[in-house]
Amino acid sequence: AQSVTQPDIHITVSEGASLELRCNYSYGATPYLFWYVQSPGQGLQLLLKYFSGDTLVQGIKGFEAEFKRSQSSFNLRKPSVHWSDAAEYFCAVGARNFNKFYFGSGTKLNVKP
Amino acid sequence: DADVTQTPRNRITKTGKRIMLECSQTKGHDRMYWYRQDPGLGLQLIYYSFDVKDINKGEISDGYSVSRQAQAKFSLSLESAIPNQTALYFCATSQGWDEQFFGPGTRLTVL
Repeated sequence: AQSVTQPDIHITVSEGASLELRCNYSYGATPYLFWYVQSPGQGLQLLLKYFSGDTLVQGIKGFEAEFKRSQSSFNLRKPSVHWSDAAEYFCAVGARNFNKFYFGSGTKLNVKP
Repeated sequence: DADVTQTPRNRITKTGKRIMLECSQTKGHDRMYWYRQDPGLGLQLIYYSFDVKDINKGEISDGYSVSRQAQAKFSLSLESAIPNQTALYFCATSQGWDEQFFGPGTRLTVL
């Protein structure tokens, strides 16, 4: 079965520190890959997406993600975290061959002053 | 005005009642989705529609039904609500496989 795994439920980093949120997927073909952010009480907003081409993609708010086919991963990174980045982050996969869309269970990011 | 609107935003109901959640979009997208969000479970897909005549079940469709009344409208019904359907419900739209745009959510409580 197709799935998306975000192994870290909670992560706490200090403001100014670097960040990496992990995402692994299970899907035979190259999927469409997305990262969304959800601030408290809000809906989801797209940070970045990967469809094809350059495996390092840049998104909004200084985030980037790298698609690694060999590891079935699409990890999200930011070199210097700001307090306003505290939110929940979701990885998502579009499995075109199955006409399905899957979300990971989310990683909640806390930022220490 | 918001691109994706959901009504109501909050609803408290009793077990056994029929509930309808409505979603409208002004983006002109072909695809619409209904998700539910429970803490620690991420978003689970309930139903999705690739166009007005193409409706598909998601991961957790039991106990739910949908209607795509027009390209811009997609409603979710709980025929007989039960307490474990208490959750936050999101509608989303997309054009093809591109990014999904989410509504603000409906918080549903079933007593």
